[in-house]
Amino acid sequence: SQQGEEDPQALSIQEGENATMNCSYKTSINNLQWYRQNSGRGLVHLILIRSNEREKHSGRLRVTLDTSKKSSSLLITASRAADTASYFCATVRSGGYQKVTFGTGTKLQVIP
Amino acid sequence: DTAVSQTPKYLVTQMGNDKSIKCEQNLGHDTMYWYKQDSKKFLKIMFSYNNKELIINETVPNRFSPKSPDKAHLNLHINSLELGDSAVYFCASSFEGGNGYTFGSGTRLTVV
Repeated sequence: SQQGEEDPQALSIQEGENATMNCSYKTSINNLQWYRQNSGRGLVHLILIRSNEREKHSGRLRVTLDTSKKSSSLLITASRAADTASYFCATVRSGGYQKVTFGTGTKLQVIP
Repeated sequence: DTAVSQTPKYLVTQMGNDKSIKCEQNLGHDTMYWYKQDSKKFLKIMFSYNNKELIINETVPNRFSPKSPDKAHLNLHINSLELGDSAVYFCASSFEGGNGYTFGSGTRLTVV
């Protein structure tokens, strides 16, 4: 069954505003990753947070992880039109070879 | 350029045909993957190879056959194509236990 589900499915904001996307998952994980997909392109890895970490930053990105609630959030601050894309969370279960399972994605539109 | 490259980018073919998609990575990764992204943007893993050895084989029709001649290449052959096979197929690679996946730009397969 699908591991991660993003919320909201779609988000439209004005340039300069912050965008928050949430991801919920069902089973225990080794780490959680966020990816961006521009229209017609492949996925690009943004950030990884391990199960023993609670928060991580990378530039304008902030990711939190709450393993007790099995949820993560991605915050993009001071959004730009170029941030318009779909964002996916991906969970990695431990044990044997890693298996990455992607969520349903949040489609973000940043209006100039 | 260091990358995951897959060919062709677009593939339009008739039902019943056999086609192949090729993938190559020059990142030195030891694990390669095939993902299928449907019209709702849901990404589902199909296969994974680690050092030419098949390690993940999800519930995929046996019309799909992956082949890894070496750890830098993972090809996907599809026999007797069906309308439902229409999707975007992504190749990806990583180090086993690595910090993220590098995706190719995708192959949009349309079966008519």
